[in-house]
Amino acid sequence: DAMVIQNPRYQVTQFGKPVTLSCSQTLNHNVMYWYQQKSSQAPKLLFHYYDKDFNNEADTPDNFQSRRPNTSFCFLDIRSPGLGDAAMYLCATSRDLRTGGSEAFFGQGTRLTVV
Amino acid sequence: GEDVEQSLFLSVREGDSSVINCTYTDSSSTYLYWYKQEPGAGLQLLTYIFSNMDMKQDQRLTVLLNKKDKHLSLRIADTQTGDSAIYFCAESINDYKLSFGAGTTVTVRA
Repeated sequence: DAMVIQNPRYQVTQFGKPVTLSCSQTLNHNVMYWYQQKSSQAPKLLFHYYDKDFNNEADTPDNFQSRRPNTSFCFLDIRSPGLGDAAMYLCATSRDLRTGGSEAFFGQGTRLTVV
Repeated sequence: GEDVEQSLFLSVREGDSSVINCTYTDSSSTYLYWYKQEPGAGLQLLTYIFSNMDMKQDQRLTVLLNKKDKHLSLRIADTQTGDSAIYFCAESINDYKLSFGAGTTVTVRA
């Protein structure tokens, strides 16, 4: 019954080795988001897609990229992970926040460890 | 500083009411949200309030909004051990973006 599925739940990667996190949704939502959440901090939006339109936050490092090959899937690519990129990465979807409190549905998150 | 601010910790006795407070900065926010995060899990929407409302009640949850002071609160009546979690306040600052507070860790003690 999970509607937003993130794989894997836990990912360990080596310093500098590219890593990809995946997210899929069964809700057919237009908008998909990637958030980074570090310990005891607020989730921070990295970027979002509205359909195929990609929207990068101004302070998202170039090291982070994203792909959305179709409505259901969205990937987060970290080209050269550093120790500071260790965090929980949350994927979320929504129809459109303009349409009246349309909630964002979150996945379980992927906890990334960089060694 | 952050756009949304919350106190970091709250300890409450089982059966008492919990009140979690939040302040936000964007007066144009149309919706304000409360999310719950249990250990190792994603965020779950608890409730939301439209900015032209003062109060919203949903079973044990009561949301109060003071738009003039940009203050939002969440009251949980009859707090249970299952309510132990991190609670995030969030504002929608444009059509697609949610800005979150750092979260309030609620600990329910017997």
